[in-house]
Amino acid sequence: AQSVTQLGSHVSVSEGALVLLRCNYSSSVPPYLFWYVQYPNQGLQLLLKYTSAATLVKGINGFEAEFKKSETSFHLTKPSAHMSDAAEYFCAVGTGTASKLTFGTGTRLQVTL
Amino acid sequence: KAGVTQTPRYLIKTRGQQVTLSCSPISGHRSVSWYQQTPGQGLQFLFEYFSETQRNKGNFPGRFSGRQFSNSRSEMNVSTLELGDSALYLCASSPSPSGGTDTQYFGPGTRLTVL
Repeated sequence: AQSVTQLGSHVSVSEGALVLLRCNYSSSVPPYLFWYVQYPNQGLQLLLKYTSAATLVKGINGFEAEFKKSETSFHLTKPSAHMSDAAEYFCAVGTGTASKLTFGTGTRLQVTL
Repeated sequence: KAGVTQTPRYLIKTRGQQVTLSCSPISGHRSVSWYQQTPGQGLQFLFEYFSETQRNKGNFPGRFSGRQFSNSRSEMNVSTLELGDSALYLCASSPSPSGGTDTQYFGPGTRLTVL
């Protein structure tokens, strides 16, 4: 069985500041890890995906995440926050032969002036 | 290429009724998964269909069911609606049968309100 823990249900940063959203996973087999973003009244949009090719994964909109097996972590970062980054972010893990994702509880990112 | 489409976008039903939601995957995608999103429980996996067969099922009661057609379009049905079924229902499609490694592309969701 797999699980995902996102630390911090709400994160607030100033525009231009570093964004760090935390995700820890638990999986009995090598995981495939995803970060999705959800804007109000919309579905989920993929930011980036880890599938064991490279530990540092670059995604869209300047986001990146680093897979650290020893820490079972896959934290999402962005060097400089923009107002348009305000949204809810979900970390998810996928394993096995079925397209089934297990999601974390989400982190709502607020960006202030 | 068009994205995942879901119809209707908004739905209001009363307790005891049943509802059918529809999902059209991205062209060429053969796997369709359904998720329920609520403020209390977050995002939870309902079931996945691949080549018209249910490949995996989440921990939901039998009132929740689904099917997939030969063109990969999928429907989910909820019978005997309860207030707790109010949620955003998200459909996601993925291109190949690789399962967990595939990227899932999500639709905009159907917002179901049960009164």
